[in-house]
Amino acid sequence: EVQVLESGGGLVQPGGSLRLSCAASGFTFNNYAMNWVRQAPGKGPEWVSGISGGGDSTYYADSVKGRFTISRDKSKNTLYLQMNTLRAEDTAVYYCAKDSGSSSFDTFDIWGQGTMVTVSS
Amino acid sequence: DIQMTQYPSSLSASIGDRVTITCRASQSISRSLNWYHQKPGKAPELLIYAASSLQSGVPSRFSGSGSGTDFTLTITSLQPEDFAAYYCQQSFILPLTFGGGTKVEIK
Repeated sequence: EVQVLESGGGLVQPGGSLRLSCAASGFTFNNYAMNWVRQAPGKGPEWVSGISGGGDSTYYADSVKGRFTISRDKSKNTLYLQMNTLRAEDTAVYYCAKDSGSSSFDTFDIWGQGTMVTVSS
Repeated sequence: DIQMTQYPSSLSASIGDRVTITCRASQSISRSLNWYHQKPGKAPELLIYAASSLQSGVPSRFSGSGSGTDFTLTITSLQPEDFAAYYCQQSFILPLTFGGGTKVEIK
């Protein structure tokens, strides 16, 4: 079964850091781009970041550029999101989402169950 | 960034009804438009990609149409499991952006 499973969410103070992980299984991880999409309470989804299948291309939403870093470990079939200098507006459920292609970022065909990140003092 | 506008923001319908949701892009996106639905407490799920292609496993009562700036999602006979939020998403250019959502509720 194709699936992705996030972990690493929690409560963090403003200005703090957190690293999210996403374990992938059931598909050839290196063949697909991967994304992080977040959803604040009561709001629609927001694309945060994407990384190509080979890991050589990364992209970010302006709202997180310079603060978040996406990466992937081929040997562990795992996607990461390092989040630094967190703000209250980063509070959301963070989803790991598999892309339908290798180097393009367009369609999220598999989603994880999400991990909640709360930024509050 | 491309802005995606959905309407209505919510609607009430009965089992068996035909439902249509509209999504408008702030500029032409060709047919680079996807639809998802999301049940409470769950992750979004892909329904339609490239404006009109049905994702594997999705019932045929769902269909999508449109190109350029105007798109529609149609559910031909609403079922109990279809009461959810629906989102469009453009895949034309980064950053990928979503519409504000349409909540389909039971009448």
